[in-house]
Amino acid sequence: ELKVEQNPLFLSMQEGKNYTIYCNYSTTSDRLYWYRQDPGKSLESLFVLLSNGAVKQEGRLMASLDTKARLSTLHITAAVHDLSATYFCAVDRNYGGSQGNLIFGKGTKLSVKP
Amino acid sequence: DTAVSQTPKYLVTQMGNDKSIKCEQNLGHDTMYWYKQDSKKFLKIMFSYNNKELIINETVPNRFSPKSPDKAHLNLHINSLELGDSAVYFCASSQPPIPELFFGEGSRLTVL
Repeated sequence: ELKVEQNPLFLSMQEGKNYTIYCNYSTTSDRLYWYRQDPGKSLESLFVLLSNGAVKQEGRLMASLDTKARLSTLHITAAVHDLSATYFCAVDRNYGGSQGNLIFGKGTKLSVKP
Repeated sequence: DTAVSQTPKYLVTQMGNDKSIKCEQNLGHDTMYWYKQDSKKFLKIMFSYNNKELIINETVPNRFSPKSPDKAHLNLHINSLELGDSAVYFCASSQPPIPELFFGEGSRLTVL
């Protein structure tokens, strides 16, 4: 059974600092997704990673995927308060799947303090 | 224009009642989903429809019945509500072959 583990689950950062969130998964998959959720709000798609070695960047966030290690990272550069949110990674249960049968990690609650 | 819209956003009801949540997407996507987010923020897929056909049906009590009248709409009906059904229910849509999900704003169900 596919398991998706994120760490840390809670992260308190100072503005201007860098940090990395890790997402490990237990079975072979070539598709990984990162989402952001603000308190009481919907989930927003951040990154879609579709192959080994994929790297995507948007602003202060950069995501990468290593399918051999079954690991994705979400790197935060020079954090700002606006990045405070919960970040979820999700892996498709079906290799090469198009059905969206995603297994989500438990989420990393990020708090960026001045 | 809201891409994926759900109604109602809040439901408060008594145990044993029946309730429905409606979802509509205007993205032209072929696939729609219901996900449940519990009090610990854990997200789990419940159902998925592709062009009105049920393709994913996770282990969900049969008190939950989805219906897709057309590919732009996916509704969720819940019978005999229980305390444990309290959660936020998210509708989402995607377009194959890449299931990047676009979520609605969620419907917070509280069962008393």
